[in-house]
Amino acid sequence: DTGVSQDPRHKITKRGQNVTFRCDPISEHNRLYWYRQTLGQGPEFLTYFQNEAQLEKSRLLSDRFSAERPKGSFSTLEIQRTEQGDSAMYLCASGFPNQPQHFGDGTRLSIL
Amino acid sequence: ILNVEQSPQSLHVQEGDSTNFTCSFPSSNFYALHWYRWETAKSPEALFVMTLNGDEKKKGRISATLNTKEGYSYLYIKGSQPEDSATYLCAHPGGDSSYKLIFGSGTRLLVRP
Repeated sequence: DTGVSQDPRHKITKRGQNVTFRCDPISEHNRLYWYRQTLGQGPEFLTYFQNEAQLEKSRLLSDRFSAERPKGSFSTLEIQRTEQGDSAMYLCASGFPNQPQHFGDGTRLSIL
Repeated sequence: ILNVEQSPQSLHVQEGDSTNFTCSFPSSNFYALHWYRWETAKSPEALFVMTLNGDEKKKGRISATLNTKEGYSYLYIKGSQPEDSATYLCAHPGGDSSYKLIFGSGTRLLVRP
């Protein structure tokens, strides 16, 4: 069990560019969650998958955001046409229902 | 919206001091309360999951209590050490089948040697 891993750890990009983050969950976990954390706030829920099915998306997730979990394994989160307000820490977590979630180290996104 | 409030926002203590912080959550439709520790440049680490009113859990020098009727939980650290410096987050699942966590803003603890 290598834990949840996220890539990259840091991403700096210019406004308007597209970015994609990857999350590799703990392999036996069927649920995968994406959260976003901004300065001074706790993590906020973005979306989650059960196996390969995306079951819920937060209103925070505008149409510029898309997430996938092909084959129910790793997941990607893509942001198109990035904006200054997208700067945040993006956290991925995996787990089972009713159990603690296991988090990755996050991807810190900075928009110039 | 099922808000979670944490206080204080930040706390500076001397090594050896004992400290505690508060998490308030909606008491209706309670399901569970999670505590996480988040050190800088690391991933949030689960400390406790509490489900029963009156629950008290302990992990080394850290303990937590739960009052579901009035909607609060306390986290205590006895004899704080510099390695306890972190942000302590509490969260509860939204009450639906997603089990998505609704977090408070956290308490940032700094323990000075």
